[in-house]
Amino acid sequence: GAGVSQSPRYKVAKRGQDVALRCDPISGHVSLFWYQQALGQGPEFLTYFQNEAQLDKSGLPSDRFFAERPEGSVSTLKIQRTQQEDSAVYLCASSPSLTLPGPQHFGDGTRLSIL
Amino acid sequence: AQSVTQPDIHITVSEGASLELRCNYSYGATPYLFWYVQSPGQGLQLLLKYFSGDTLVQGIKGFEAEFKRSQSSFNLRKPSVHWSDAAEYFCAVGVNYGGSQGNLIFGKGTKLSVKP
Repeated sequence: GAGVSQSPRYKVAKRGQDVALRCDPISGHVSLFWYQQALGQGPEFLTYFQNEAQLDKSGLPSDRFFAERPEGSVSTLKIQRTQQEDSAVYLCASSPSLTLPGPQHFGDGTRLSIL
Repeated sequence: AQSVTQPDIHITVSEGASLELRCNYSYGATPYLFWYVQSPGQGLQLLLKYFSGDTLVQGIKGFEAEFKRSQSSFNLRKPSVHWSDAAEYFCAVGVNYGGSQGNLIFGKGTKLSVKP
């Protein structure tokens, strides 16, 4: 009965470094989402996978952001050449639904701080 | 464009008092509506959802919400607040891409404080 697992919980990086954030969704969940939550704000959509296919990446703020889910399970969000404005909590969510917006189950997030 | 507005940034209520958190949405089709709660350092936990049917939906922890299409609202209520309800609450609308799964659009959240 494990939920969505994200690692690391906290990440501190210097500006210009690359970072990789991992999401392990609930087993069997076909839909996977990444959101970015700035301090004091609601989560904002980054990208969506259905199994291994990235169906929507319209929320990625720049080409420095890249996400993958090669085997339709674990997903990685990579940020290259990090900048201070990338500091935020990155949330991963999974859903068993393929059709219609189903309830999404969230991990505890990765808090990224760029110095 | 789809959007969610939570007019109240911060609300303080006394323990045992009733609670209503406001949510207004803008969405062109039938909305799929959600309320989530977030405790500090935690992810979001689903409180309740509305897809269709009865406009009054019950959720976990004694919460309920009422969908009012005429007012484009989906307000969250609880008759008696407990100190453990102190958290941030987010209303969200689910985007429906012609029957396919879509992302959630969140409001900015309402922080609830509970006075003893």
